[in-house]
Amino acid sequence: EVELVESGGGVVRPGGSLRLSCAASGFAFDDYGMSWVRQAPGKGLEWVSYMNWNGGIIHYADSVKGRFTISRDNAKNSLYLEMSSLRAEDTAFYYCVRAIAIAGTNWFDPWGQGTLVTVSS
Amino acid sequence: SYVLTQPPSVSVAPGKTATITCGGNNIGSQSVHWYQQKPGQAPVLVVSDDSDRPSGIPERFSGSNSGNTATLTLTRVEVGDEADYYCQVWDSRTDHPVFGGGTKVTVL
Repeated sequence: EVELVESGGGVVRPGGSLRLSCAASGFAFDDYGMSWVRQAPGKGLEWVSYMNWNGGIIHYADSVKGRFTISRDNAKNSLYLEMSSLRAEDTAFYYCVRAIAIAGTNWFDPWGQGTLVTVSS
Repeated sequence: SYVLTQPPSVSVAPGKTATITCGGNNIGSQSVHWYQQKPGQAPVLVVSDDSDRPSGIPERFSGSNSGNTATLTLTRVEVGDEADYYCQVWDSRTDHPVFGGGTKVTVL
């Protein structure tokens, strides 16, 4: 069974840092690009970052560029998101997702259960 | 950046058909993907590439895409279909995905 399990969420003060992890299982992790997508409580989905299979292609949403860093360890079947200079507006559930790339498009399947990051003083 | 527009809410009676739209400039030239998110749960892919259903998704879920509107159609709606539904495309100009704002489907 394909599964993604996030960890590392919690409460952090504004300006602080946090590292999220995503453990993947049930598929060949190094065959796929991966992304992080977040959802503020009661709000819609917002894409955060993408990394291709070998880390050669990385993209960030403008809202997190320069503050967040995506990385992966294919030997450990793991994806990471290093978050710094956190702001109240970064408060959200963070989902780890597998990107399926076909013919110039990408969709996300499956999604992890999410980990909650709360930025508050 | 590319913008996807969804109605905030759709109401439907059990057993009837719900239609959820996703508007975008010439969206018919792009591949549209749809996700279902039930309360307290992570999103689940229900339609990819305009009209393909992943394994395990009922035939009651179908998608279409033409012109400036993509559509997710739920036939014979059940109470268990109550959820938020999001459309998504991959913006090739920015190499970023774009999500619609989501539509809350209420089964009356």
